[in-house]
Amino acid sequence: EVQLVESGGGLVKPGGSLRLSCAASGFTFSSYSMNWVRQAPGKGLEWVSSISSSSSYIYYADSVKGRFTISRDNAKNSLYLQMNSLRAEDTAVYYCAREGGSSGWNDYWGQGTLVTVSS
Amino acid sequence: EIVLTQSPGTLSLSPGERATLSCRASQSVSSSYLAWYQQKPGQAPRLLIYGASSRATGIPDRFSGSGSGTDFTLTISRLEPEDFAVYYCQHSETFGQGTKLEIK
Repeated sequence: EVQLVESGGGLVKPGGSLRLSCAASGFTFSSYSMNWVRQAPGKGLEWVSSISSSSSYIYYADSVKGRFTISRDNAKNSLYLQMNSLRAEDTAVYYCAREGGSSGWNDYWGQGTLVTVSS
Repeated sequence: EIVLTQSPGTLSLSPGERATLSCRASQSVSSSYLAWYQQKPGQAPRLLIYGASSRATGIPDRFSGSGSGTDFTLTISRLEPEDFAVYYCQHSETFGQGTKLEIK
């Protein structure tokens, strides 16, 4: 069974940092691109970042470029999102998601971890 | 940058009725990249349709997707109580704003 479990969310002050993790199991993690998608309270879905299976290709939304860093450790079946210079508008539930094909859609999602940026 | 516009914003229907949800792209897009998700309160999104018309694993056949170019449609043939949720379309890194399907 495919499982994605996020952790690392919490309350952080504006300008602070947080590192999210996503533990993957039930599939060959090293064969799939992975994504972070976030959802602000009461709002829609927003793609944040993508990383290819071997970390060769990395992409970011303009809203987080230069502040967030996506990475993965295929030996540990883990995905990460390092978030620096956090702003109030980064407050959201952050989901990790497996990219099902080469076309960007996500076939499995974690349950999400809440990041709250507030003083 | 491609913008996806979903309509209507809210759709009020009764169980047993047919639901038609629209997703319009600001420019022609590849059907291969068009997906639909269902999200219930407090839950992660669930993939329903990928490649515009292919059902994801375990998705009932009352859900169907169609369209090409700039206009895509998600159809739920006969609504079940568990189908009332928010639906999102996605193309590559862009999501639509969602359609809330509520019980009338």
